[in-house]
Amino acid sequence: DAKTTQPPSMDCAEGRAANLPCNHSTISGNEYVYWYRQIHSQGPQYIIHGLKNNETNEMASLIITEDRKSSTLILPHATLRDTAVYYCIVRVAPHLSQAAGNKLTFGGGTRVLVKP
Amino acid sequence: EAGVAQSPRYKIIEKRQSVAFWCNPISGHATLYWYQQILGQGPKLLIQFQNNGVVDDSQLPKDRFSAERLKGVDSTLKIQPAKLEDSAVYLCASSLGLAGSEGNEQFFGPGTRLTVL
Repeated sequence: DAKTTQPPSMDCAEGRAANLPCNHSTISGNEYVYWYRQIHSQGPQYIIHGLKNNETNEMASLIITEDRKSSTLILPHATLRDTAVYYCIVRVAPHLSQAAGNKLTFGGGTRVLVKP
Repeated sequence: EAGVAQSPRYKIIEKRQSVAFWCNPISGHATLYWYQQILGQGPKLLIQFQNNGVVDDSQLPKDRFSAERLKGVDSTLKIQPAKLEDSAVYLCASSLGLAGSEGNEQFFGPGTRLTVL
């Protein structure tokens, strides 16, 4: 799986959009970008994933650059409950590589602190 | 829908003792994972089961760690004997495990925090 680079930490203001960057310059054609987050004392939680098109769900939006070498997770209106560590993970989609392809390789993530 | 259940939530033992953790995945999920998360780091996969068979245990320290999922549902992870460096949170996760599923996201339990003294 390709390696990702994320800033170790960032602060954002409650009610404002939070933009979390991720670099994945070695991503290959069959690798997806996944985002998980981990709130203190909880297990990681899936947020969103994408291949090359921008994606949006009830939690967040994912913007992937045209060359796919970087992406941005957007939390449109950050709340105090969004304070967590956010992990950007690149991996081959499970439907392309059998069950073993479902392995998640976590890096250090970005520690996001939402301030009132 | 009930989530992934783990027990105990906390465990304190002395080095060289043994310990076991239990996980009950989401009903119907064929794939089960055990991760180790050391303080300040991201989770690291220890072992992955597909039903009751092992898919990947390449990062499991097999001299002291063992895991089983005998009936393809719940699972136990054991450490014997424990070392100081085993202090970590042990996370269990499950997924549908269907090869045709693009998302197939993993659902994590709350974890067991192990402290080895």
